[in-house]
This record gives sequence, C-alpha cells and structure tokens, in this order.
Amino acid sequence: ETGVTQTPRHLVMGMTNKKSLKCEQHLGHNAMYWYKQSAKKPLELMFVYSLEERVENNSVPSRFSPECPNSSHLFLHLHTLQPEDSALYLCASSQGAGGGREQYFGPGTRLTVT
Amino acid sequence: AQSVTQLDSHVSVSEGTPVLLRCNYSSSYSPSLFWYVQHPNKGLQLLLKYTSAATLVKGINGFEAEFKKSETSFHLTKPSAHMSDAAEYFCVVSVTGGFKTIFGAGTRLFVKA
Repeated sequence: ETGVTQTPRHLVMGMTNKKSLKCEQHLGHNAMYWYKQSAKKPLELMFVYSLEERVENNSVPSRFSPECPNSSHLFLHLHTLQPEDSALYLCASSQGAGGGREQYFGPGTRLTVT
Repeated sequence: AQSVTQLDSHVSVSEGTPVLLRCNYSSSYSPSLFWYVQHPNKGLQLLLKYTSAATLVKGINGFEAEFKKSETSFHLTKPSAHMSDAAEYFCVVSVTGGFKTIFGAGTRLFVKA
C-alpha cells in the first residue's frame, strides 16, 4: 500500500447505527486531517491531529468522534447521524500540521445516511 | 481571516487551447496558496503551491500559477489543455503557523475534443 488509504470506500448507515471510518497513511507523516466534502459546498476541515494530539476541531457535532491511536492511523467514529451528514469524507496527511504544508489525500469514503 | 473565491464554477475549453482558472484570496497574513485537482472518484492531488518564494510557480502536468499580491489573485494556467485535464480544481489558502485550511468552492474543467 502506498500513500493514503481509506476504508470502507462506500458506507450506507441508518440514523441509529454506529460505524467507523478508517484512514491509514504510509508516508511517514506526523499530521492527519478529516475533511467533509458535500455537494455544492467547499471542503470543510473537521479535525486536525499533530503528533497524535488533536489541535483543531472546527465546531463539529459530537456525533462525529475522531481517534488517532498513532501517527499512521486515524479513525472517525460515527453515531446517530443525520441525513445531512451524507457526504464524501476525505482523510489527508502532511509532514507537520501548520499552514503551508502540502497535504496528501486519500480517495475518500462516500457515506450515505438513510 | 482568510477566504478564497474561485470566480468560475465551470470552465469549458477545447483540447489544445489554453486553460485559465481564476482564484482570488483574502488573508490577514502572508498566505500559503495551493491548487489541488480532483478526478472523479479520487482524492485530491496537489498541483502546485506558493509559499513566498518565486511568484510564478510551476506545478505538475504543465500547470503553473502566478501570485499577484496587488490583485490578491493566484490564477492557474496551462498553455494547452489535454483531455486528461478534465477534473475539478480547488484553490486553497492557509497561513503559516495556523491550522486552518480554506478551500475554494471548486472549478469544474471540461475539455472538448
């Protein structure tokens, strides 16, 4: 595996389900990000982790819970989602988390909430 | 505060003709600026970045962008479009030392044969 991988690629879940998205980076980076990409809206930065510590949380509802157990893995735990949470969720990584860093993106998980 | 505006939601060109995708930004501090490309069902790929070195930045696949501080612009150009350039392009601004990364709404590039 190379680059940034995300699993699953597609996920359909009901509003009462609990599921998790997984991201893994094989680039030796020390910062990881979650983004939400909705139709007709700009990409929204959700969370930033640097050296496994959360350094940015952009007012994301508590039904999204991130976890970064080590610098290579990032999870997004989902529970009691709403239909408006349906979107493409993108993971990215970079060397360093400050502005000006090049980010490398995974292919995304297409989430549909029914 | 930072913001970024991509002036065109769609651009259509013929193969072999020049490409111009326009981006204006706003930043209280010296910005870092990026262009990313997203092909269907793929993640975003970095095309090029500006971080206060040369104002004309060359990227991959023949793309380049010019940072114009007086016009607060960072337009993306390519001399000759190829069919494989059809994708969505995002202009991005961030500030060194901060964590916020602001994406533009995207410009969909169509390339006609």
